Amino acid sequence: SQTIHQWPATLVQPVGSPLSLECTVEGTSNPNLYWYRQAAGRGLQLLFYSVGIGQISSEVPQNLSASRPQDRQFILSSKKLLLSDSGFYLCAWSAWAAREASSNEKLFFGSGTQLSVL
Amino acid sequence: AQKVTQAQTEISVVEKEDVTLDCVYETRDTTYYLFWYKQPPSGELVFLIRRNSFDEQNEISGRYSWNFQKSTSSFNFTITASQVVDSAVYFCALSEGGATNKLIFGTGTLLAVQP
Repeated sequence: SQTIHQWPATLVQPVGSPLSLECTVEGTSNPNLYWYRQAAGRGLQLLFYSVGIGQISSEVPQNLSASRPQDRQFILSSKKLLLSDSGFYLCAWSAWAAREASSNEKLFFGSGTQLSVL
Repeated sequence: AQKVTQAQTEISVVEKEDVTLDCVYETRDTTYYLFWYKQPPSGELVFLIRRNSFDEQNEISGRYSWNFQKSTSSFNFTITASQVVDSAVYFCALSEGGATNKLIFGTGTLLAVQP
């Protein structure tokens, strides 16, 4: 069965410090990967998505970047955190649409990382 | 452009009451997918249902039911005989599917079920 791991669960970082959040998926290959952020207002905003190794698409301009160094690894980074980067970050995966039609379009989410920038 | 609107920010009901969560969507595509996710206090999103745009049949799963109406671009979610464990934030989402499979979420509805 497929599982998604996201860590750390909680992170408190000072303004200006770097950030690295990691997400890995097990039990599937060539997944689509996503980073979402949930700010204080509860809305979920898509930050980045990736359809393959080294392929990153950014949905909104921001202080963050994403990388996919391996097929099932997705990393969210920042060189210098801002106060506005605080929020709940969720990693998600979905099956490659053309290959697994039975689970098409369903996203599976990690348990999230609560980031507080002080 | 795609958009999902959940006009109800917060709903409070007493246990055993029925409650309907509204969702209105916008898309130009003829093929699309609609979802509901539940986010309990733990934070993790739990998948509830997926419907494609060609299937307007209403669906019932236990105390949960969904009413999909293309004519009004709505995909409403009803919980019958609500329970305290139903307390959570509920998100409606829209996807055009395809290779990227991006989900666009509404802002969520916080449901509080009082004992």
